[in-house]
Amino acid sequence: KAGVTQTPRYLIKTRGQQVTLSCSPISGHRSVSWYQQTPGQGLQFLFEYFSETQRNKGNFPGRFSGRQFSNSRSEMNVSTLELGDSALYLCASSREGGGASTDTQYFGPGTRLTVL
Amino acid sequence: AQSVAQPEDQVNVAEGNPLTVKCTYSVSGNPYLFWYVQYPNRGLQFLLKYITGDNLVKGSYGFEAEFNKSQTSFHLKKPSALVSDSALYFCAVRDSANDYKLSFGAGTTVTVRA
Repeated sequence: KAGVTQTPRYLIKTRGQQVTLSCSPISGHRSVSWYQQTPGQGLQFLFEYFSETQRNKGNFPGRFSGRQFSNSRSEMNVSTLELGDSALYLCASSREGGGASTDTQYFGPGTRLTVL
Repeated sequence: AQSVAQPEDQVNVAEGNPLTVKCTYSVSGNPYLFWYVQYPNRGLQFLLKYITGDNLVKGSYGFEAEFNKSQTSFHLKKPSALVSDSALYFCAVRDSANDYKLSFGAGTTVTVRA
């Protein structure tokens, strides 16, 4: 079974631009979560989508948004990029997520975003 | 509020020696605990989890972890470390009081020397 895939793997943008990252979950998984990883802040939860609905949200500004499609694929969008948005963005999928507290999240390889 | 602490930024061991990576947690409800490993320029790989039952959990690549409720700890262990175990290890916790969000520790860098 294929794992979680993320595209693109690397991205370079300039301040003020916007960016869209894509995540394809493991087949059969309906929940997709997004995380930001930086050396200073570590791994921080962005949001979780389940059945095309945002189920949970972390403490990030409204510039960070996402969506999920009927095939469970998810996209994350960051508008008006800032230098501090440079990070590794990780996507994780799980079968049920949310209230299924025992569910395991499986991570993709990440998208390395550099903002210049 | 839930939190996870990994008290050691770095752990250095010789190949063949036991490896322990420490994790303590603080949650309001029942803890659901996870360990992940991250190799350079890669995503996180799931190692093992504790949900309920036996306090000793066995996972991938020879790793195991011991859940200790009285000490609120979930330390990761491997009896005999390999050079290839050198990586960044994350402990994570989820509990019902925080809407099941997965919270990660800061990570521990493990270096196994030959």
